[in-house]
Amino acid sequence: NAGVTQTPKFRVLKTGQSMTLLCAQDMNHEYMYWYRQDPGMGLRLIHYSVGEGTTAKGEVPDGYNVSRLKKQNFLLGLESAAPSQTSVYFCASSYRLAGTGRETQYFGPGTRLLVL
Amino acid sequence: KQEVTQIPAALSVPEGENLVLNCSFTDSAIYNLQWFRQDPGKGLTSLLLIQSSQREQTSGRLNASLDKSSGRSTLYIAASQPGDSATYLCAVRLGSGNTGKLIFGQGTTLQVKP
Repeated sequence: NAGVTQTPKFRVLKTGQSMTLLCAQDMNHEYMYWYRQDPGMGLRLIHYSVGEGTTAKGEVPDGYNVSRLKKQNFLLGLESAAPSQTSVYFCASSYRLAGTGRETQYFGPGTRLLVL
Repeated sequence: KQEVTQIPAALSVPEGENLVLNCSFTDSAIYNLQWFRQDPGKGLTSLLLIQSSQREQTSGRLNASLDKSSGRSTLYIAASQPGDSATYLCAVRLGSGNTGKLIFGQGTTLQVKP
């Protein structure tokens, strides 16, 4: 059981380049999330998904797109990277315990992105 | 808009000391509150989750309390050890209709010196 994995671990981009970050989970979780973590600002939600084929905007969605074509994968795309998108990106997945609403998010190890 | 604040931003204590980390939030209409641990260069690991109807949760040397009416939570670490050195983040989940969206504090970086 690998849990939540993220690819790549580290990437350097030039301004204007595009890239896709991949998140995969093998726990059959319905919900998946993309966060970014910046110094002194905690984690902020970019986009999330409540199931295969569905996505929704989080707190800071501008400049990012996502897709959830398969239940186990959640992709985060940057169409035209900007220096302000230099950050550490975390993916998380979760399920909701039936009857309780209790939900715990499991996080991946993160992807460090540097945009020059 | 819900805001979560953690004070202090950094804390250094000698091994064996008991310590308290603080978390405050501006809107008491939360579904639950979680404390996470983050080691350098790693992802987050959930430590404790307190539902809005609960007052505290305990796991080993960790005890988390929640006072929803005052918008505060504390994480108490007993008999601290060097292995406890990490960044601790609290996060509140908004109401039940908000599908697990978490609002995080900035974190408190703890160093426990041998």
